[in-house]
Amino acid sequence: DTEVTQTPKHLVMGMTNKKSLKCEQHMGHRAMYWYKQKAKKPPELMFVYSYEKLSINESVPSRFSPECPNSSLLNLHLHALQPEDSALYLCASSQEEAVEGSPLHFGNGTRLTVT
Amino acid sequence: GEDVEQSLFLSVREGDSSVINCTYTDSSSTYLYWYKQEPGAGLQLLTYIFSNMDMKQDQRLTVLLNKKDKHLSLRIADTQTGDSAIYFCAERPYGNNRLAFGKGNQVVVIP
Repeated sequence: DTEVTQTPKHLVMGMTNKKSLKCEQHMGHRAMYWYKQKAKKPPELMFVYSYEKLSINESVPSRFSPECPNSSLLNLHLHALQPEDSALYLCASSQEEAVEGSPLHFGNGTRLTVT
Repeated sequence: GEDVEQSLFLSVREGDSSVINCTYTDSSSTYLYWYKQEPGAGLQLLTYIFSNMDMKQDQRLTVLLNKKDKHLSLRIADTQTGDSAIYFCAERPYGNNRLAFGKGNQVVVIP
């Protein structure tokens, strides 16, 4: 069982829709991450929040908008997506930086299909 | 920047040992991780090692680190069918929030 919970598990949306992906952790972690993973590829970093502030944006298109309402929650707002944005979106969390290797703990992801 | 390489596919008989290899390029202090991903699931952290260590053992898993060659391996003893998955190694330099993944290695366990 994962301690990072993502909802929904599956999402199908049209290119004109607005939807949000949600992520929650209760491990007291202060860093949270969004990754995108295409089939049979490694995850690619999108965003990092550290102490609820955006610290890394890997040049992600503005149709993806992250939000960190509090230290336990991370959202990814989606608007005007393209079919090539279809992928598995993974949320992860970690203690801040150099605490015991600060491993990232991943959720099970949201499988997004853009039609 | 970090560059992590892995081979792609390994087939192993149930009960045998599996060895998955990975090379990394960052020369500074770094953490190295192994993750397992089953079909349709997220990434499960298996184990990790800091670059000042040579070896770490955790039940059926043994991680070996060759710092000179920047080579990391994961040995799974007594491989089970539930070990069939894609295994990713990943590198995270000390003090850096960027985790660099290898391409992944698919392990198929034959009963």
